Amino acid sequence: AQSVTQLGSHVSVSEGALVLLRCNYSSSVPPYLFWYVQYPNQGLQLLLKYTSAATLVKGINGFEAEFKKSETSFHLTKPSAHMSDAAEYFCAVTSSSASKIIFGSGTRLSIRP
Amino acid sequence: GAGVSQSPSNKVTEKGKDVELRCDPISGHTALYWYRQSLGQGLEFLIYFQGNSAPDKSGLPSDRFSAERTGGSVSTLTIQRTQQEDSAVYLCASSRDRGQSDTQYFGPGTRLTVL
Repeated sequence: AQSVTQLGSHVSVSEGALVLLRCNYSSSVPPYLFWYVQYPNQGLQLLLKYTSAATLVKGINGFEAEFKKSETSFHLTKPSAHMSDAAEYFCAVTSSSASKIIFGSGTRLSIRP
Repeated sequence: GAGVSQSPSNKVTEKGKDVELRCDPISGHTALYWYRQSLGQGLEFLIYFQGNSAPDKSGLPSDRFSAERTGGSVSTLTIQRTQQEDSAVYLCASSRDRGQSDTQYFGPGTRLTVL
């Protein structure tokens, strides 16, 4: 079975500070990993995905994530937070043998002026 | 179309009534998914379509929930005899193919409120 754990339901950072959203996964087969963002009253938008190519994945809006098999982690980072980054972020996992994405519980990111 | 569309955007119904939620996937996408997002349960998978068939219905919470897809395009999620615990945002997503590395594109959702 696959699962995802997001550490911290709410993260608050100052504008211009580093953003770090944590995600750990569990999978008995090689995983595909995703980060999605959800802005208020909108659907989910893909930020980036890992599909067994490069372990450092760059996404939209300056976000990136690094796949670390030894730590079973896929943390999301952005060097400098912007007010427009305030949203809910979901880490998710699937695999080539699965038919669905398993989502984490989400982390709400707040940006302080 | 340019993206996945869902209708209605909001639906308020009385307990015990039936509701139908519609999803129009991106043109040419063969895979279609329904998810439910609620405060207590987060994002839950409901059902997956490949073409018109549903190989995975494992997430449907009860036999009051059903879904169909016609013409390999539009899908309808039906909830019969709605209950208050059915209140949630229902999200639809589509992807180019079943391949799990394919990106799933999400619609804006239908917010269902059962009074």
